[in-house]
Amino acid sequence: GAVVSQHPSWVICKSGTSVKIECRSLDFQATTMFWYRQFPKQSLMLMATSNEGSKATYEQGVEKDKFLINHASLTLSTLTVTSAHPEDSSFYICSARRDRVSYEQYFGPGTRLTVT
Amino acid sequence: GQNIDQPTEMTATEGAIVQINCTYQTSGFNGLFWYQQHAGEAPTFLSYNVLDGLEEKGRFSSFLSRSKGYSYLLLKELQMKDSASYLCAVNPPHGFGNEKLTFGTGTRLTIIP
Repeated sequence: GAVVSQHPSWVICKSGTSVKIECRSLDFQATTMFWYRQFPKQSLMLMATSNEGSKATYEQGVEKDKFLINHASLTLSTLTVTSAHPEDSSFYICSARRDRVSYEQYFGPGTRLTVT
Repeated sequence: GQNIDQPTEMTATEGAIVQINCTYQTSGFNGLFWYQQHAGEAPTFLSYNVLDGLEEKGRFSSFLSRSKGYSYLLLKELQMKDSASYLCAVNPPHGFGNEKLTFGTGTRLTIIP
């Protein structure tokens, strides 16, 4: 299989604090990981593409200083939402590509972030 | 640029057949995915088309016409558990570090008894 996990599955934090979300590929090495944000009843919006050992590539309009991405190994990428505000409340989903042959992305279960 | 269109909502009856359409206008094309997403959960892979034609997988089939920029997902023998959002996603031509999907807005399908 190709299993991707995320931790935590949900988190509530106060405005101004930072939150770290982990994305792990459990049974394969991910050449590339992706971070998405999804607001209620909307589709997935790609935030950034993360390759192990290099800087993440952010989509237009996504603040890289606010959404820090670290791809420490071929099985772990982290997203840190810094100085979170209520408008950052959303469903954050990561995905991973297993190799450069298959274009399929395997999605994590998502992290529900609520900023109060 | 990338533009992917799907109907926002559809309703179908249990046991029936439903077709969800997706049209795309993208700067290049390297394959189209369909994903299913239940509320509050992550998307799960349904199908992948890169060549024209129909791909059948059990109750689900997906069709692609590259010349028309058009795809559809066909669901047969609908079950209540098929109530979910269905996301069409296009994979543009990629280079190193650029292998990303662009998702459509998703179609929320409701199955009624």
